[in-house]
Amino acid sequence: EAGVTQSPTHLIKTRGQQATLRCSPISGHTSVYWYQQALGLGLQFLLWYDEGEERNRGNFPPRFSGRQFPNYSSELNVNALELEDSALYLCASSLYPPGNTIYFGEGSWLTVV
Amino acid sequence: AQKVTQAQTEISVVEKEDVTLDCVYETRDTTYYLFWYKQPPSGELVFLIRRNSFDEQNEISGRYSWNFQKSTSSFNFTITASQVVDSAVYFCALSEARSQAGTALIFGKGTTLSVSS
Repeated sequence: EAGVTQSPTHLIKTRGQQATLRCSPISGHTSVYWYQQALGLGLQFLLWYDEGEERNRGNFPPRFSGRQFPNYSSELNVNALELEDSALYLCASSLYPPGNTIYFGEGSWLTVV
Repeated sequence: AQKVTQAQTEISVVEKEDVTLDCVYETRDTTYYLFWYKQPPSGELVFLIRRNSFDEQNEISGRYSWNFQKSTSSFNFTITASQVVDSAVYFCALSEARSQAGTALIFGKGTTLSVSS
């Protein structure tokens, strides 16, 4: 059975541009989470989607947004990229509600130059 | 407020040594879940174990073992006879039952384990 898959693996963007990252959850999982792992800042919770709805977001500005599609896949959009947005973005999925095991993808490395 | 503390930032051991990674958590919830993940250099977070707050039974899986003690709010992870392939960053994480309104997982800052041959 396929795990959480993310694309692209690596992405290089220029400051001010927009980045879109994509995630496909494990089959049967309705919850999708996004985390940012920037150097020295640990794993920071970004967004949580379930059944197409945004359930909660972390302490990030509105230029970080996303959505979940009817097939439960998700995308994360980062607008007006800043240098400090350079990080590993990890997507994860689980059954609802939280408390179930959350499985992570391999991540997307975003570099902003 | 929920919080996870991994006081050990980095640990270096030689192969075949036993090593324990510490994790201390804070929560006001009576129902919660604790996790350990391994992050090798490739970046992917690999799930290792999940434990709920009502199950204090320790667990052993091969060379890995976990010691959950509610009295000290700790969930420590021991690797027996460490190997070079165990080199990675290890994260402890907490999820509260009432997280339907909160964040899904709160992570500690991680412990970098380096095992040399």
